Amino acid sequence: EVQLLESGGGLVQPGGSLRLSCAASGFTFSSNSMSWVRQAPGKGLEWVAAIGSSGNNTYYSDSVKGRFTISRDNSRSTLLLQMNSLKVEDTAVYFCAKDPGSSPPTHYFDFWGQGTLVTVSS
Amino acid sequence: DIQMTQSPSSLSASVGDRVTITCRASRGIGSYLAWYQQKPGKVPKLLIYAASTLQSGVPSRFSGSGSGTDFTLTISSLQPEDVSTYYCQKYDTAPWTFGLGTKVE
Repeated sequence: EVQLLESGGGLVQPGGSLRLSCAASGFTFSSNSMSWVRQAPGKGLEWVAAIGSSGNNTYYSDSVKGRFTISRDNSRSTLLLQMNSLKVEDTAVYFCAKDPGSSPPTHYFDFWGQGTLVTVSS
Repeated sequence: DIQMTQSPSSLSASVGDRVTITCRASRGIGSYLAWYQQKPGKVPKLLIYAASTLQSGVPSRFSGSGSGTDFTLTISSLQPEDVSTYYCQKYDTAPWTFGLGTKVE
C-alpha cells in the first residue's frame, strides 16, 4: 500500500525558513517523479515544485522559484522541500504527491499524503 | 502560462441528477488533463487522467471527455458521496496548473 507521510510544518515568521519532509513507502520511490502541491486555507490546489526520479531535474512554480528547493534522498525514500524567505501568502497545507510515471514522468498525481500545515505569521 | 478555467464554480444538484463540469484551457493541451475529487477535509483523489481514462477503482458514473482546450467531467447519476470539490489539472508542460475548482453540493 502506497503511503506518503509529510512532516515539518509549523508556525514561522515572515522571512523565516522551514524544511518539509515526506516519507514514502509501498512503492519503488526511486522510480517515480514526485511533487509538492499546496492548498491555502479555503482555497484551491496549487502545484509548487516537482523533481524527477533521479533528482537531476527540478521544476518550480513562479511563486516559489528562487525561495524553495525540492530534493530527494532515494536511499531513504524521502522527499524534501526547503522553504526560505517565507511569506504570509505561503501559508497552506503542503501535500506530497506521487507521479504514476517513471520514465518519462506524467506530472499528474495518483497518490497524495495527508499534508502538513505551514503557517507564516508574525 | 496556460490558464485553466473551470465552470461553474459551484452547483447544487439532486441525487440521481446528471452533472457536468467544464474545464477550459487558454491554449491547447492535447489530452493532458486530469480530474481530481476532494471531499471536505480530505486529500485529493485522482479520478480521470488523459482526459478520459478512469483511474482504477473509480465508479463508472464518472467520465471525462474533450481534447485541446475544452474538457468536461460528467457524473451520470449523482450520489450523496459525490459531494466534493472537483479540480482539473493540465500536465502537458510546466507549470502543472490546477483549475480553481467546482464545488458540488
